[in-house]
Amino acid sequence: EVVMTQSPATLAVSPGESATLSCRASQSVGSRLAWYQQKPGHPPRLLIYGTSTRATGIPARFSGSGSGTEFTLTISSLQSEDFAVYFCQQYEIWYTFGQGTKLEIK
Amino acid sequence: QVQLVESGGGLVQPGGSLRLSCAASGFTFTSSGMHWVRQAPGKGLEWVTLISHDGITKFYADSVKGRFTISRDNSKNTLYLQLNSLRVEDTAVYYCARELGSREALDIWGQGTMVTVSS
Repeated sequence: EVVMTQSPATLAVSPGESATLSCRASQSVGSRLAWYQQKPGHPPRLLIYGTSTRATGIPARFSGSGSGTEFTLTISSLQSEDFAVYFCQQYEIWYTFGQGTKLEIK
Repeated sequence: QVQLVESGGGLVQPGGSLRLSCAASGFTFTSSGMHWVRQAPGKGLEWVTLISHDGITKFYADSVKGRFTISRDNSKNTLYLQLNSLRVEDTAVYYCARELGSREALDIWGQGTMVTVSS
């Protein structure tokens, strides 16, 4: 099983600033990496797939990068609606998710 | 609009069974691979199973293999998950989701249905 490890577990950032979330895979997943946003009581929402492609309707302030085993989600100019939990997912070898990073207001 | 709506969750005793349904609308269901993903209370996401667009190919997580069965009725635009031999650790919100393309990320999610396994 490919283990996905996200860091940090919690990140406190002020609105208007940028946030950088990390995701590491236990073995290479190529570029088959997605990021999801989840708010309490709601299902996950696809943000990024293929490491860096924004899903339909996702603002340009969300960007993804990386390859192989190291990936990053960057959110620039944080808005109030961006504070949520973020999960990475690999879909190269079956499907596994990271444990999540909670982005909270500083 | 594009939508997935799950139903069928509830409280069941250990060893019991449930059948979840997921009604799809607003997209071509017959062309879409479909998944179930679950989330235990306060926990992360766990992929459970997938079925190909034609219902022929099915894969399961080891944690549910032999106990859960995924199926679909393309004439009714509906996805199913039969849960048998339920365990306390199967307690979770169960989401159905559409894959963006074959073996790709999941771009449409339902609102989820809660399954509670408890005596």
